[in-house]
Amino acid sequence: DAGVIQSPRHEVTEMGQEVTLRCKPISGHDYLFWYRQTMMRGLELLIYFNNNVPIDDSGMPEDRFSAKMPNASFSTLKIQPSEPRDSAVYFCASSRRRFGTVNSGANVLTFGAGSRLTVL
Amino acid sequence: DAKTTQPNSMESNEEEPVHLPCNHSTISGTDYIHWYRQLPSQGPEYVIHGLTSNVNNRMASLAIAEDRKSSTLILHRATLRDAAVYYCILRDNNAGNMLTFGGGTRLMVKP
Repeated sequence: DAGVIQSPRHEVTEMGQEVTLRCKPISGHDYLFWYRQTMMRGLELLIYFNNNVPIDDSGMPEDRFSAKMPNASFSTLKIQPSEPRDSAVYFCASSRRRFGTVNSGANVLTFGAGSRLTVL
Repeated sequence: DAKTTQPNSMESNEEEPVHLPCNHSTISGTDYIHWYRQLPSQGPEYVIHGLTSNVNNRMASLAIAEDRKSSTLILHRATLRDAAVYYCILRDNNAGNMLTFGGGTRLMVKP
């Protein structure tokens, strides 16, 4: 398996522009997570989906951020308009449903390599 | 959410064992203990997880205190490639698959 695939790996944009980050989860995984990492705040959960449905978006900073999962193999995180404080590394992760024994691996999150966003 | 406390940083010598501690005094009965690590410029990766009993896998061992209020991740022989930030996380089995990351421990490995 190719793992969780994110694009772009790097994005540099100007303040006010729209940014779209993309994620392809591992096939068969029914949970998808978007995290943001900055030096100041560490790794923060923004939103997560189960079976393509958003379950918890309480971590989304404000209305400028939106996330969609139109099907089981694709998700987007959009920022419109972008601001310099949005500069961060954005990670996507996926996992299978949580049922199973402790050692079954069913509860493991697999992360992508991240998308580094710089807003000037 | 139950919180974890880890030292900010630790140092180890190459090829020596490393014991990374984690305190979670408010752990509940449904919380699993997860460990992830993040190598430089990469996303976090799963290391190991457990509930009550000690666990071993090819990457590490997890020793869980009898009262479950603390745990220790054990790397049996540290290599330079083990230099990373190690996160100890409690996952509530009743709250879905989400993980809340803390600050972690930055492990430095000296040759």
